[in-house]
Amino acid sequence: KAGVTQTPRYLIKTRGQQVTLSCSPISGHRSVSWYQQTPGQGLQFLFEYFSETQRNKGNFPGRFSGRQFSNSRSEMNVSTLELGDSALYLCASSRGLAGGGTGTQYFGPGTRLTVL
Amino acid sequence: QQQVKQSPQSLIVQKGGISIINCAYENTAFDYFPWYQQFPGKGPALLIAIRPDVSEKKEGRFTISFNKSAKQFSLHIMDSQPGDSATYFCAASMPGANNLFFGTGTRLTVIP
Repeated sequence: KAGVTQTPRYLIKTRGQQVTLSCSPISGHRSVSWYQQTPGQGLQFLFEYFSETQRNKGNFPGRFSGRQFSNSRSEMNVSTLELGDSALYLCASSRGLAGGGTGTQYFGPGTRLTVL
Repeated sequence: QQQVKQSPQSLIVQKGGISIINCAYENTAFDYFPWYQQFPGKGPALLIAIRPDVSEKKEGRFTISFNKSAKQFSLHIMDSQPGDSATYFCAASMPGANNLFFGTGTRLTVIP
């Protein structure tokens, strides 16, 4: 079974631009979560989507948004990029649980975003 | 505020030795405690996980010890190998929750 795939793997943008990152979950998984990883703040939860609905959101500004499609693929968007947005953005896939929660999360390799 | 505190920040162990990484939490609502292993350029990979109804779980060379009263849990890597050199993260989540709270990570180096 193929793992979680993220595209692109590397991205360089300049301040003020916007960026869209893509995540394809493991086949059959309905939940997709996004995390930001930086040396200073570690791994921080951004948001989670289940069946095209955002179920939970972390403590990030509104410049960070996401969506999920009917095939469970997900995208996250960051608008008006700032230098501090440079990070590894990780997508995690899980089966999703009917009563909420996600079950075991499987991470993709991440997208390395550099903001100049 | 760091919901899960992890130590040490880095660890150097001789091949064949035991690596021990510790984590502590405050929120007693947490009910799922996974450990992830991350190699450079890769995403974190689930290593082993435990729920608070058991005090220990072992999978191969990896063991989680869980102390509910102390609100602490630890990862023990027996017979550490150079291939175990990676960054390890503990994490926790709440019932019905869909986000993981991660520790700050421990960079493990196993020297031959």
